[in-house]
Amino acid sequence: DAKTTQPPSMDCAEGRAANLPCNHSTISGNEYVYWYRQIHSQGPQYIIHGLKNNETNEMASLIITEDRKSSTLILPHATLRDTAVYYCIVRVGTNAGKSTFGDGTTLTVKP
Amino acid sequence: GAVVSQHPSWVICKSGTSVKIECRSLDFQATTMFWYRQFPKQSLMLMATSNEGSKATYEQGVEKDKFLINHASLTLSTLTVTSAHPEDSSFYICSATGRGTLNTEAFFGQGTRLTVV
Repeated sequence: DAKTTQPPSMDCAEGRAANLPCNHSTISGNEYVYWYRQIHSQGPQYIIHGLKNNETNEMASLIITEDRKSSTLILPHATLRDTAVYYCIVRVGTNAGKSTFGDGTTLTVKP
Repeated sequence: GAVVSQHPSWVICKSGTSVKIECRSLDFQATTMFWYRQFPKQSLMLMATSNEGSKATYEQGVEKDKFLINHASLTLSTLTVTSAHPEDSSFYICSATGRGTLNTEAFFGQGTRLTVV
């Protein structure tokens, strides 16, 4: 799996958009970008994934650069419950369970 | 979405005893299950991968005789920590994938916090 780099921590004001960056400069053509988050003392929660096109679901949007070397997860209206560690993972789409988790970004949403 | 449930959520055991953790897929057939370990303030580390009816594949550095994994059915995998010691205290998390579209997304359990005293 390609290595990813994320900032260790970020703050965001409640109600504002949270933009979490991820660098994955060694990504291969068949590797997807996945995002998970882990709220304290819980298992990770799937957020979104994409290959090269931007993706949106009810939780977030994923913007992948044209060269696919970086991406941004956008939480459009952050709430206090979005405070968590966010993990960006790059891997082949099949057999999605075998993931290499980096250190992630600790997002703190402040009132 | 698909649901994965772990039991127990937390357990305290005495040093030298064995502890079994269950991971169940509640509404889909989990063809592959994964076990992770997470120490405080650290990221998740993959311990092993198990396919239904097959022996588990362990990651480098994980003792297969200490962490026994059984995946006897398409809805249940168990992790047994044998002869547990305080250094085995950790947060253990399972995840599962299924067939078709359920193969491109991993569904995680809520985790089990093991404390060995």
